[in-house]
Amino acid sequence: ETGVTQTPRHLVMGMTNKKSLKCEQHLGHNAMYWYKQSAKKPLELMFVYNFKEQTENNSVPSRFSPECPNSSHLFLHLHTLQPEDSALYLCASSHWGLEAFFGQGTRLTVV
Amino acid sequence: EDKVVQSPLSLVVHEGDTVTLNCSYEVTNFRSLLWYKQEKKAPTFLFMLTSSGIEKKSGRLSSILDKKELSSILNITATQTGDSAIYLCAVLVNAGGTSYGKLTFGQGTILTVHP
Repeated sequence: ETGVTQTPRHLVMGMTNKKSLKCEQHLGHNAMYWYKQSAKKPLELMFVYNFKEQTENNSVPSRFSPECPNSSHLFLHLHTLQPEDSALYLCASSHWGLEAFFGQGTRLTVV
Repeated sequence: EDKVVQSPLSLVVHEGDTVTLNCSYEVTNFRSLLWYKQEKKAPTFLFMLTSSGIEKKSGRLSSILDKKELSSILNITATQTGDSAIYLCAVLVNAGGTSYGKLTFGQGTILTVHP
């Protein structure tokens, strides 16, 4: 248990669906991150939120829409995804630029 | 563009063997280098290295950073089947002052330890 909780753990969605991934951290950290892990590719940073303000968007397509209502919660809203978006989506948090702690991830399959 | 390269990409050993995993990097605004272990989903933190030449140790695992060579190694001695996992190297670069950093990951090394 890392103190970072993600739901759901698995998600199958059609290309026309809208769904959301949720992340919650109980560590009092100021920064939260979304990473994407595709097969045979390194973990890729998607978004960074610092004190609930978005500070980084790593050229992510607009079909991925993040939301951070407060420093403890982070969402990733998904709509009209493509099959190549199937991946493990990992949320992480960190405290003042120290090591990041990761959640268990959501395994997303787009059909 | 920041780059982190790990080698080997996969490694198969027997219990009791010692392994050395390598990580090299080319980044701007280096802050520190981190090692993670990923067994099923969540990468779990192992080490954070900021200063060159200072070994960090945790049980059978140890790691050291060489900032002159832009590289790091992770050693595992007396391997056990429970060490089977993907070992990820990541470099933390400065962003937004000191309040957060960005991690750039390598491809990972898949370690398989047979009984």
